[in-house]
Amino acid sequence: NAGVTQTPKFQVLKTGQSMTLQCAQDMNHEYMSWYRQDPGMGLRLIHYSVGAGITDQGEVPNGYNVSRSTTEDFPLRLLSAAPSQTSVYFCASRLAGTRGETQYFGPGTRLLVL
Amino acid sequence: AQSVTQLGSHVSVSEGALVLLRCNYSSSVPPYLFWYVQYPNQGLQLLLKYTTGATLVKGINGFEAEFKKSETSFHLTKPSAHMSDAAEYFCAVSGDNAGNMLTFGGGTRLMVKP
Repeated sequence: NAGVTQTPKFQVLKTGQSMTLQCAQDMNHEYMSWYRQDPGMGLRLIHYSVGAGITDQGEVPNGYNVSRSTTEDFPLRLLSAAPSQTSVYFCASRLAGTRGETQYFGPGTRLLVL
Repeated sequence: AQSVTQLGSHVSVSEGALVLLRCNYSSSVPPYLFWYVQYPNQGLQLLLKYTTGATLVKGINGFEAEFKKSETSFHLTKPSAHMSDAAEYFCAVSGDNAGNMLTFGGGTRLMVKP
């Protein structure tokens, strides 16, 4: 199993550009989520999905869109990038089960918005 | 509402010394608590978790944590630090009934001196 994979590893954008961060998992996990990591703030939940066709907002959803057309994939879209979106982005997945299920994290995408 | 506070953004110990990383939480429902570790330029991996049952939880690499409801704490300890323990550590709480919102603390960077 590859686990949770993310592409690209690193990206530089100009303000106003759009891009999609890719996330895929091969563990048949129902729940997938996106976090951003900023120094001193830990990880903050952007969006999550409990299954194909179902998404919901997390703590910091503004400026980001998601969709979930398959169990395996959960892309994160930045429609018009802003410097405040410079961050490291992590995708995670887990079984739906109970809230005690372990989340598995991808290696991250480092995004710089100029 | 749920939140996590990690006291000390940086902790430095000597090799062989006790490691103590502090975590306090708030939760409106019985909490499920997690400690994750992040090595440089990598994603997060689970160290240990508390869901129900025994309040002293043992994890990987010799770490353990004790859930203390009266103190709303879940401190992480290891009797003897090793150089390979140098990393950033995150405490997290799943404090909503559905388990869809995992809230992280700000993280503690552990440095181990030879």
